[in-house]
Amino acid sequence: QSALTQPRSVSGSPGQSVTISCTGTSSDVGGYNYVSWYQQYPGKAPKFMIYDVSKRPSGVPDRFSGSKSGNTASLTISGLQAEDEADYYCCSYAGSYTWLFGGGTKLTVL
Amino acid sequence: QVQLVESGGGVVQPGRSLRLSCAASGFTFSSYGMHWVRQAPGKGLEWVAVISYDGSNKYYADSVKGRFTISRDNSKNTLYLQMNSLRAEDTAVYYCAKFKSDCGDNCPKKMAVYSPLDYWGQGTLVTVSS
Repeated sequence: QSALTQPRSVSGSPGQSVTISCTGTSSDVGGYNYVSWYQQYPGKAPKFMIYDVSKRPSGVPDRFSGSKSGNTASLTISGLQAEDEADYYCCSYAGSYTWLFGGGTKLTVL
Repeated sequence: QVQLVESGGGVVQPGRSLRLSCAASGFTFSSYGMHWVRQAPGKGLEWVAVISYDGSNKYYADSVKGRFTISRDNSKNTLYLQMNSLRAEDTAVYYCAKFKSDCGDNCPKKMAVYSPLDYWGQGTLVTVSS
């Protein structure tokens, strides 16, 4: 049960787009379309942003989008805003009623 | 509105036990599976355990299997995590989180594995130290 692989940090300027990758295996990310993404501010609980690879729950801006290719899922944030600066985590169902999170990516808005 | 409030954290010596609680409100608790997820200081999220809506099925991460037990009391709208034989590496903020949707008896093991974690509590800190 190794964590999914995410870049430790990404950065972008306001208005730009950034993409955060989440790499797993054919037993988790590649095997199921049950990838979700969470945003977490320091000292706060995670917030649910994307599910089923690319679906957005109500209230999440359409600047946030998700995709998947093979064993890698991605979260893209377009039109970066200062308030997007946070940590982002991917999560995938990993079979046998277990789940895996990514190691997390710190997004810095320059 | 949905609220999940964890409690029971604190400082405990290695090898001892602790029980965490998660009080739920604002939704029909007895209809949803629930997770525990933890986060060590300065580290990422780690999935810990899951329980089906009726408590009949439970699954654990390898790191806690045999030491932790997840349970629920639907009459009290409360989720629990019994943690035994605690180790320093169990030091973390522990969050409870609910399934976004569930399938009742219509899924294998009564577990909606497709469901993300849509609401999270604020977390409770467990520190294992002598």
